[in-house]
Amino acid sequence: GQNIDQPTEMTATEGAIVQINCTYQTSGFNGLFWYQQHAGEAPTFLSYNVLDGLEEKGRFSSFLSRSKGYSYLLLKELQMKDSASYLCAVRESGSARQLTFGSGTQLTVLP
Amino acid sequence: EAQVTQNPRYLITVTGKKLTVTCSQNMNHEYMSWYRQDPGLGLRQIYYSMNVEVTDKGDVPEGYKVSRKEKRNFPLILESPSPNQTSLYFCASSSHNEQFFGPGTRLTVL
Repeated sequence: GQNIDQPTEMTATEGAIVQINCTYQTSGFNGLFWYQQHAGEAPTFLSYNVLDGLEEKGRFSSFLSRSKGYSYLLLKELQMKDSASYLCAVRESGSARQLTFGSGTQLTVLP
Repeated sequence: EAQVTQNPRYLITVTGKKLTVTCSQNMNHEYMSWYRQDPGLGLRQIYYSMNVEVTDKGDVPEGYKVSRKEKRNFPLILESPSPNQTSLYFCASSSHNEQFFGPGTRLTVL
């Protein structure tokens, strides 16, 4: 089984940088994913990490430390449209591509 | 356009009345799954399918059935819906490392 923890809510200011943390416990790790979900909409894929280190994709970056069971999503130059829920999900090895999702972090970007 | 479609998008029904939520994808993905999303609980997997005629239970399968007769379709069946199945449901299909979600079906069981 897996246990995934992320903060419930965060608030940041337009133009700033925010880091959303995710910690997980799993018996066998095979990848960590970040998704963005706007209210009432479907989640959309943001990033995938399977090796330690930082993956950068435009204003968004995701970091993974497998030994610490830790990841973060870094959002730079925040825009109002970044207000959304950010979901951390872990895939367990041998799990047939099943994902277990955290409860999500609701980010509010203020002007 | 690559997409996952679900129908209906909204449904209000009564306890015990069988219903089916359809899901279809046009990306030729082998892997498909169903999730429900409830406040404070996040996305929880109901059932998944690795390929045609191959399905398996996720974390919360009780009260649900699925079938995978064709690669593109993965319907979710509630034989006898109950109020605790009131939720937002998402179908998803995936390539190796990215899941594509349908638009969601908001189900209310009275």
